Amino acid sequence: SQQGEEDPQALSIQEGENATMNCSYKTSINNLQWYRQNSGRGLVHLILIRSNEREKHSGRLRVTLDTSKKSSSLLITASRAADTASYFCALGGTSYGKLTFGQGTILTVHP
Amino acid sequence: NAGVTQTPKFQVLKTGQSMTLQCAQDMNHEYMSWYRQDPGMGLRLIHYSVGAGITDQGEVPNGYNVSRSTTEDFPLRLLSAAPSQTSVYFCASSYLAGVEKLFFGSGTQLSVL
Repeated sequence: SQQGEEDPQALSIQEGENATMNCSYKTSINNLQWYRQNSGRGLVHLILIRSNEREKHSGRLRVTLDTSKKSSSLLITASRAADTASYFCALGGTSYGKLTFGQGTILTVHP
Repeated sequence: NAGVTQTPKFQVLKTGQSMTLQCAQDMNHEYMSWYRQDPGMGLRLIHYSVGAGITDQGEVPNGYNVSRSTTEDFPLRLLSAAPSQTSVYFCASSYLAGVEKLFFGSGTQLSVL
């Protein structure tokens, strides 16, 4: 089954800067989701964007989806040290009952 | 609400031993699943269930069994543990099998010696 490919693998920024993470995929999807994982913890759902949507916002998060390029980006504005975590994209609808995850981007926000 | 509860949090096994990882959710979710997370590999789906009595294989099912006798519980059984099964295991549930938002447990860290 296909998996999202995330870029970059690691990102290190200063507090207050914006962080952008990208996810590319190869086949059609129904939706694309982003999750956050703090060290040693379970994943937490951040946002879902459907295949017929181009942009979605939630607080300091902005997600875009370009189905023609088969790619999505997650933008975190005005990053905080508390945003330090791993971020995963997940592809939904490629196969009933299955949600496939990318390898993740490790974000470090320095105070 | 407790959400998704996994037990145990840590486990060490010897090669060849069997064990069951427990997962329970109190949100009346139809869908439940098991993932394993290995460094550099992201999360890989082991087995999933779209309702009581219904289970199916994910991406990496070999060496694992599941059953879903109730809506709340979805145990994962390791039949004969191998070092390659050393990993962090996550149980996750969703209201619908369309899987539009997964709720994760806190994970079980398993080491097989």
